[in-house]
Amino acid sequence: EVQLVQSGAEVKKPGESLKISCKASGYSFTTYWIAWVRQMPGKGLEWMGIIDPDDSYTRYSPSFQGQVTISADKSIGTAYLQWSSLEASDTAMYFCARLAELGTFDSWGQGALVTVSS
Amino acid sequence: SYDLTQPPSVSVSPGQTARITCSADALAEHSAYWFQQKPGQAPILVIYKDFERPSGIPERFSGSSSGTTVTLTISGVQAEDEADYYCQSTDSSATVIFGGGTKLTV
Repeated sequence: EVQLVQSGAEVKKPGESLKISCKASGYSFTTYWIAWVRQMPGKGLEWMGIIDPDDSYTRYSPSFQGQVTISADKSIGTAYLQWSSLEASDTAMYFCARLAELGTFDSWGQGALVTVSS
Repeated sequence: SYDLTQPPSVSVSPGQTARITCSADALAEHSAYWFQQKPGQAPILVIYKDFERPSGIPERFSGSSSGTTVTLTISGVQAEDEADYYCQSTDSSATVIFGGGTKLTV
């Protein structure tokens, strides 16, 4: 069974750094790209970017370029999303998702709630 | 890039047919996908490549396309279908785009 298990909820202060994770199991990690999707409270889905876990090639949405860093460690089957300096506006649920051959995301993590507040 | 336009809300009675649209000129060239999201849960893919249904998705979910508008149809709507529905596509540089979402009330 394909599973993406994300790290838990985080509460941070503005200016702090953060790295959240998405551990894949049930398939070959390097075969499928992993994307990150933001959902702000009460709002819709926003694609942030995507990574090829095989070679760590990464593409970002123009809206998130320079704001976050997506990475992966294929030795442990885990993708990451990180911030160097959080802002209150980063408060959101963040999902990782697997890009399947059918052209879109067929498996999703359970989501990680990030709350940034002073 | 471009915007995918969905109605904010659709309301139907149980057993009726719900139709949710998603529009953009680019949909004439790019496939559309539909996700269902219930409160507090991750999205679930219900339709891919305009009209294909993943395994495990009930037959009452179907998709269609008429050029620049794609439609998610739920026939014989059940109470459990109440959720937010998002269409998704890509642009010419493979940037992923989501529609604003439609709240289906049953």
